[in-house]
Amino acid sequence: ILNVEQSPQSLHVQEGDSTNFTCSFPSSNFYALHWYRWETAKSPEALFVMTLNGDEKKKGRISATLNTKEGYSYLYIKGSQPEDSATYLCARSKGGTSYDKVIFGPGTSLSVIP
Amino acid sequence: GAVVSQHPSRVICKSGTSVKIECRSLDFQATTMFWYRQFPKKSLMLMATSNEGSKATYEQGVEKDKFLINHASLTLSTLTVTSAHPEDSSFYICSARGTLGALDTQYFGPGTRLTVL
Repeated sequence: ILNVEQSPQSLHVQEGDSTNFTCSFPSSNFYALHWYRWETAKSPEALFVMTLNGDEKKKGRISATLNTKEGYSYLYIKGSQPEDSATYLCARSKGGTSYDKVIFGPGTSLSVIP
Repeated sequence: GAVVSQHPSRVICKSGTSVKIECRSLDFQATTMFWYRQFPKKSLMLMATSNEGSKATYEQGVEKDKFLINHASLTLSTLTVTSAHPEDSSFYICSARGTLGALDTQYFGPGTRLTVL
């Protein structure tokens, strides 16, 4: 994998369903993995930043895991709500700091149907 | 905390004019800010990294004379698109370095939609 990839590109779920999506990235020269939530007409919101293999982070109903050896991260949303509808971006830092040289994936667009 | 504003949110200009976009960190000091550009249906593409008080570092393929970046204070970075042409029409978004938990991340502004006629 040369770039940061995300799948699926988009998905629609019913309110109350749990869902997850994937971020794949080159495992070489890895420093940190970021997840953002981007609602239309708003600023992307920083959800998580992770650096260590096996890291798990949680914020309310949203959680993320990190596997740096195989180059992937999962984002989970438990009991999706309409307000979770947004584009979820992942990004990888490769510059030796957690915030620098950040390469973004194309995003997963989530629509939660009431 | 960690709020970044961007102004203007939308601008339409004529070809050949210059446009300035401001990025401000409202409740924290940002030694490092970043400028991105997003093409339709594409990822955010890093254009440059700006550090307060020093020259910006541009990514490969980004014309520094076309996209002038000034980071004159710890809360303000500006991007000036000089002699804009229709191909410069795009969504420009800035971010600022800040802390999330024990690590640093980037906090984003809401973006600026530039249309060059």
